Amino acid sequence: SAVISQKPSRDICQRGTSLTIQCQVDSQVTMMFWYRQQPGQSLTLIATANQGSEATYESGFVIDKFPISRPNLTFSTLTVSNMSPEDSSIYLCSVRSWDSGNTIYFGEGSWLTVV
Amino acid sequence: GIQVEQSPPDLILQEGANSTLRCNFSDSVNNLQWFHQNPWGQLINLFYIPSGTKQNGRLSATTVATERYSLLYISSSQTTDSGVYFCAVGVWNQGGKLIFGQGTELSVKP
Repeated sequence: SAVISQKPSRDICQRGTSLTIQCQVDSQVTMMFWYRQQPGQSLTLIATANQGSEATYESGFVIDKFPISRPNLTFSTLTVSNMSPEDSSIYLCSVRSWDSGNTIYFGEGSWLTVV
Repeated sequence: GIQVEQSPPDLILQEGANSTLRCNFSDSVNNLQWFHQNPWGQLINLFYIPSGTKQNGRLSATTVATERYSLLYISSSQTTDSGVYFCAVGVWNQGGKLIFGQGTELSVKP
């Protein structure tokens, strides 16, 4: 299994500011994924973060708005830039655990409210 | 891209009742997972089940890959089963990213 810690767990942010979310995993993983869950909605993949290379963004998400870092095999950050109320969401970090039958694990999520 | 549809969108049960949740997907997949999101937002992996049947306590799941659907069974439901159940699918050659259905919101009443 994999234990994933995210920080912050919750935050209230002012419009126009940026916030960085941290994701720490208790084991080395090749790929980490960042998802967004808007209120009452399902999860949507923002990007895939590989160690040592640029993140791969899904359609509708751009690096200028959601820059991602992946400095090593256990850590990643997602920044939500120039926030607006539409960015109010849960942001979730996810990893694939090879030693658990390809199970996908999620962090507890970071609840962001933009006012 | 792959489409994922879940039904029903909402379900209200009395404690002790059984239920079946369905997930249909539009293309061949080799990764299918069921998740439970509790009222605090925590997403818990229930099953990794690209095919076949698995059971874990009161929960079981069956995926018929050739017919592109999966079922999640909840027996003797408890109030702690409340929350949203998501089906998510993917293809391993895309690295493990998942496409989520819209979820089934389950409310179990005492």
